[in-house]
Amino acid sequence: AQTVTQSQPEMSVQEAETVTLSCTYDTSESDYYLFWYKQPPSRQMILVIRQEAYKQQNATENRFSVNFQKAAKSFSLKISDSQLGDAAMYFCAYRSEDSGGGADGLTFGKGTHLIIQP
Amino acid sequence: GAVVSQHPSRVICKSGTSVKIECRSLDFQATTMFWYRQFPKKSLMLMATSNEGSKATYEQGVEKDKFLINHASLTLSTLTVTSAHPEDSSFYICSARVTGGFNQPQHFGDGTRLSIL
Repeated sequence: AQTVTQSQPEMSVQEAETVTLSCTYDTSESDYYLFWYKQPPSRQMILVIRQEAYKQQNATENRFSVNFQKAAKSFSLKISDSQLGDAAMYFCAYRSEDSGGGADGLTFGKGTHLIIQP
Repeated sequence: GAVVSQHPSRVICKSGTSVKIECRSLDFQATTMFWYRQFPKKSLMLMATSNEGSKATYEQGVEKDKFLINHASLTLSTLTVTSAHPEDSSFYICSARVTGGFNQPQHFGDGTRLSIL
């Protein structure tokens, strides 16, 4: 079974600064997907960024980028120019590329609570 | 695009009541939908995978008779918590994946907060 570990229960950053959220995972599979989701107080899960394991290039989405280290099984999220609206719980998630049988739900980490200080 | 509607958003009911939660994909078809459970300040745990026209696949430890899942159409999956008890109180979230888009991300509903008195 796959596991996802987020070792930072809470992180705090000054507005406009850069913050990095850590995520490691354990898997025996070679092909898979990794995601970062944001869950604001409204509780809706919002996709921030995704990474295919077969791609060596790190994914970027505007102020959000990842540092994907496949050999180290590490998938950190960097948020540049932090904004007040970035405050939320951030979850790292793993999904098999092909688990077969249609059972391919996400495995989530425990989350990191990101606080943005004005 | 890719909007998932979950209803109701909040349910408060007495112990022993059965509660049905709906998950609808509004602007796309979803052969596969997923049901997650989230305890306060905890992560999301996959409960089951719902496939249109077939039986749901439940994760280990999830009671099939307790959490009934029906996925009768390409846009609707329902989760029924049967004879709910206080320990079933939680936040339930569904997600849906675009039909034919195995490589597509899951789109989440807004969740349902279930409180059993």
